[in-house]
This record gives sequence, C-alpha cells and structure tokens, in this order.
Amino acid sequence: NAGVTQTPKFQVLKTGQSMTLQCAQDMNHNSMYWYRQDPGMGLRLIYYSASEGTTDKGEVPNGYNVSRLNKREFSLRLESAAPSQTSVYFCASRDIAGGADTQYFGPGTRLTVL
Amino acid sequence: QKEVEQNSGPLSVPEGAIASLNCTYSDRGSQSFFWYRQYSGKSPELIMSIYSNGDKEDGRFTAQLNKASQYVSLLIRDSQPSDSATYLCAFDPTGRRALTFGSGTRLQVQP
Repeated sequence: NAGVTQTPKFQVLKTGQSMTLQCAQDMNHNSMYWYRQDPGMGLRLIYYSASEGTTDKGEVPNGYNVSRLNKREFSLRLESAAPSQTSVYFCASRDIAGGADTQYFGPGTRLTVL
Repeated sequence: QKEVEQNSGPLSVPEGAIASLNCTYSDRGSQSFFWYRQYSGKSPELIMSIYSNGDKEDGRFTAQLNKASQYVSLLIRDSQPSDSATYLCAFDPTGRRALTFGSGTRLQVQP
C-alpha cells in the first residue's frame, strides 16, 4: 500500500516548456486534489476532482489543466510554464467514508521554472 | 478578510512546556476542522480532526473548537524537539468539497 505517489520528485523547466505532473493513489478514494505551496502562502488549491469524471477549479487554476484519468490517477499539466509557477506541488486524496475524514498527501514535486 | 488566519511564528517553547497554536476562520457554516503537521521538506500529515465544540484529546495533543467565536486551537503538552515543525489548520468550507488551509505556524521546541 503506497498511499499517494507523485512523479517526478524534482523538475527544472525553461519558460514556455510544458510538462505533466503525475499522481496516483491506491486507497480507492473518490476525491483527489492538487495544491501548490509557496513560502508564506500555505497550501493553495489549484484543481480538485470530487469523483471520477469530474474536475473543478480551485483558488489558483490559471495556467494549469487537469485530467482525472480514472479513479486512481489525477494529473496536472502546465502547458506553457512561467517563473511564477515555481513552487512545490502536492497531490492529495481524501477519504470521507464511515464518518472519518482524512486527507493524505503525496511527497510533492519541486518545480523550478527558469 | 482571509478565510483562515494563523500567526506565522515562529513560536518558540522550551522542551516539556505546553505549545498553544491558534487559528481563526471566516466561514460560520464550516463543520470540519483539522490540524496538519509539516516537517521541513516533507508533505503535511493529519494529526487531529475535530467536528464539535469543545475539546478533543489524542495523546499529547488537544484540539479545541469554538464555533461561536470561529476559533480552533491545538495544544501540545510536554513539547519535544521532535514536535518542531509547521502546523497548518484547515477547514471544510460550506459548499466546497475541498479543504482550505491556513499558511501555518512554525513551532520551535528548544531542548
């Protein structure tokens, strides 16, 4: 049971390049999330998927797209990277079943855009 | 007004003391509140959740919720150097199916 996995762990891009951040969970959770974390800003929600086949914008969606490929996988795509997208990106999944509400985070992707 | 506010710290306490971390939130309809701990360079991990007014204890941790005052706190008794981390509060805003996080309070426990 790996929990939430993310690839890659580190990435350096040049302005204008594109990339996809991958996330997978093996806990059979319906809800999955993408956050970015910048110093002093806390975790800010980019996009989320409450269930397979649905996605919704969060607080800071501009410049990003997402795909909920299946129940396990939720990817985040940067079409044309900008220096302002330099951040640490966390994927998370959430279990609200049976009265317990627990959100699990992946290890994060550290992205630098030059 | 920010949805959730935390003092960024650092909050420095001596080993063995009680650390008190506070959080205020703006959404009166919120029902679920959480405390996450994040070590430097790591991802957040859930340490406490609380849904009802009052106190909830789990080992050395006590979460306190006051919905009338829109205030949630975390007490850490017998603080240890290993408790040194950033503590994030989070809540479930009304009508949104995603948690909103505060910017975190950095706690330093001095040996």
